[in-house]
Amino acid sequence: KNQVEQSPQSLIILEGKNCTLQCNYTVSPFSNLRWYKQDTGRGPVSLTIMTFSENTKSNGRYTATLDADTKQSSLHITASQLSDSASYICVVSGGGSYIPTFGRGTSLIVHP
Amino acid sequence: GAGVSQSPSNKVTEKGKDVELRCDPISGHTALYWYRQRLGQGLEFLIYFQGNSAPDKSGLPSDRFSAERTGESVSTLTIQRTQQEDSAVYLCASSLEIRGAEAFFGQGTRLTVV
Repeated sequence: KNQVEQSPQSLIILEGKNCTLQCNYTVSPFSNLRWYKQDTGRGPVSLTIMTFSENTKSNGRYTATLDADTKQSSLHITASQLSDSASYICVVSGGGSYIPTFGRGTSLIVHP
Repeated sequence: GAGVSQSPSNKVTEKGKDVELRCDPISGHTALYWYRQRLGQGLEFLIYFQGNSAPDKSGLPSDRFSAERTGESVSTLTIQRTQQEDSAVYLCASSLEIRGAEAFFGQGTRLTVV
């Protein structure tokens, strides 16, 4: 069964600090992995996409890593800002399905 | 418009009434998805369209739920005889193609059944 597990479920950090969110998946064969950011009351917005051959990809203060052998990905946020407060969702495509598999998300709260 | 548009943005309905939710995808996107998100929960897949066809309806929670898409454009999600457990945000997304392409989400419709 295709599954995506994210940790931690929620995280509270102080503004300016760094943090790392984790995503483990069992989707096989693997097509790609995306990290989405979902602000409260809004739809998710794609941050990064990673394919099998990519180990790391950055988008501003967001850096995603992928280890296709261990089926793990991480999203590192540098110098967090209040606007980073959101839910971060890991989405994996593949597994013989047209439907991407969504993780439940990590809720990040950045305090001043 | 440039993005995925959903209407209404908020809907309050009485238990037992039918509701219809609308999604206008990005022009040219062949794939369209509906998701449900209960408060504090992750996204729950409901149904997807490839063109006007919905090959897999197994994600729909019950036979009270139905969806259609016309003209490879607008989609409607209909919930008949609404129940309180139907209260959630219903999100629509579209993508250029069905396999692994980036999905662009609408703002969602917040449905409250009282």
